[in-house]
Amino acid sequence: GQNIDQPTEMTATEGAIVQINCTYQTSGFNGLFWYQQHAGEAPTFLSYNVLDGLEEKGRFSSFLSRSKGYSYLLVKELQMKDSASYLCAVVDSNYQLIWGAGTKLIIKP
Amino acid sequence: TAGITQAPTSQILAAGRSMTLRCTQDMRHNAMYWYRQDLGLGLRLIHYSNTAGTTGKGEVPDGYSVSRANTDDFPLTLASAVPSQTSVYFCASSDSGDSGTDTQYFGPGTRLTVL
Repeated sequence: GQNIDQPTEMTATEGAIVQINCTYQTSGFNGLFWYQQHAGEAPTFLSYNVLDGLEEKGRFSSFLSRSKGYSYLLVKELQMKDSASYLCAVVDSNYQLIWGAGTKLIIKP
Repeated sequence: TAGITQAPTSQILAAGRSMTLRCTQDMRHNAMYWYRQDLGLGLRLIHYSNTAGTTGKGEVPDGYSVSRANTDDFPLTLASAVPSQTSVYFCASSDSGDSGTDTQYFGPGTRLTVL
């Protein structure tokens, strides 16, 4: 079967750095997405990785290791508005998106 | 630009009744999707359409039907609602449905409660 694993919930402090991990076992791999979803709102695109390595976009960075079936989202200089769920999704061999359950990130002042 | 709109925002529905959730996009995207999101689970694909006039089944299609008469609209119909269909429903679109690697843009969601 196909599986995406993410921690259910994480807590971090305003101004700090947090790393949200995602591991996957899927039938094939054609890329990995990270989306942000604030409570009661729609998911919005953060990043897409298809090659190994780190992609940086402002305070958000995403890392991929295809050999390990592993990705992480790094958020620097945390702000209260970063309190949200972060969804990891993998594009499988059929080019279908397989979604993780998401990680709820709580930011404390 | 509106992007993707969904209607209604929320609805309470009696079991056995039918209902159509509406979704409209103005980005001229070829592909559209319907997902349901339940607590503790990832987004699950119900139906999709790679281009106007075609539709396909996702992971959880039973009890739902869709149509894609034109590029902009992708309604989702529940023929006879059951309590297990209580969920938040998101419509999404992407430029192309063929690659699966295009970014998907989501509507604001419809919160449906079936009693």
